[in-house]
Amino acid sequence: QSALTQPRSVSGSPGQSVTISCTGNRNDIGTDNYVSWHQLHPGKAPKLIIFDITKRPSGVPDRFSGSKSGNTASLTISGLEAEDEADYYCCSYAGSYTLLFGGGTKLTVL
Amino acid sequence: QVHLVQSGAEVKKPGASVKVSCKASGYMFSDYYMHWVRQAPGQGLEWMGMINPSGGRTNYAQKFQGRVTVTRDTSTTTVYLELNSLTSEDTAVYYCARGGLRGYSPIQHWGQGTLLSVSS
Repeated sequence: QSALTQPRSVSGSPGQSVTISCTGNRNDIGTDNYVSWHQLHPGKAPKLIIFDITKRPSGVPDRFSGSKSGNTASLTISGLEAEDEADYYCCSYAGSYTLLFGGGTKLTVL
Repeated sequence: QVHLVQSGAEVKKPGASVKVSCKASGYMFSDYYMHWVRQAPGQGLEWMGMINPSGGRTNYAQKFQGRVTVTRDTSTTTVYLELNSLTSEDTAVYYCARGGLRGYSPIQHWGQGTLLSVSS
């Protein structure tokens, strides 16, 4: 299985909004709502920030939101802050008890 | 509070095997799936496999079939990842990650990672 497709990098200035896309196919993202997003800061453990397309775990700011259209899921970060600079990965259930990650997107806060 | 504490860094030679542990606490161990995910230097996250701690059933990514084994010890609430026939391409940080109540549930919590270096 190939990784889900994400842009390699995105950037934005503090206060702006950015959107990261994650494209799969009808066998993974397109099948159900089991898409999550994870944030990685260098040297730290990953952190779940969005699950089931749109839901935020407790403690994650509402600046983070998720959506899905067809075979593409998206993560939007509004009101960018310096601490949001990190790598972001989407993850989807891909059937037969397997998961699939995206290639990752590096967010730079200018 | 969920805690996943992994074993320390490993250095192995090509062809060897490695076994990484992940001690879980703070929740009902048998109720939640556990996953293993790795990240090679400069690369993205790669899902390797999962285990249902209740019955021990496992599922692996096709890429690792035949070379990886995930087991668990319910008495110590510990999950293990064993990877055989190591090559330099297995050099990576390996994470255990707790999923949900179902195999399709998302990963919710991550361990701190274990660095594996494979070099002759």
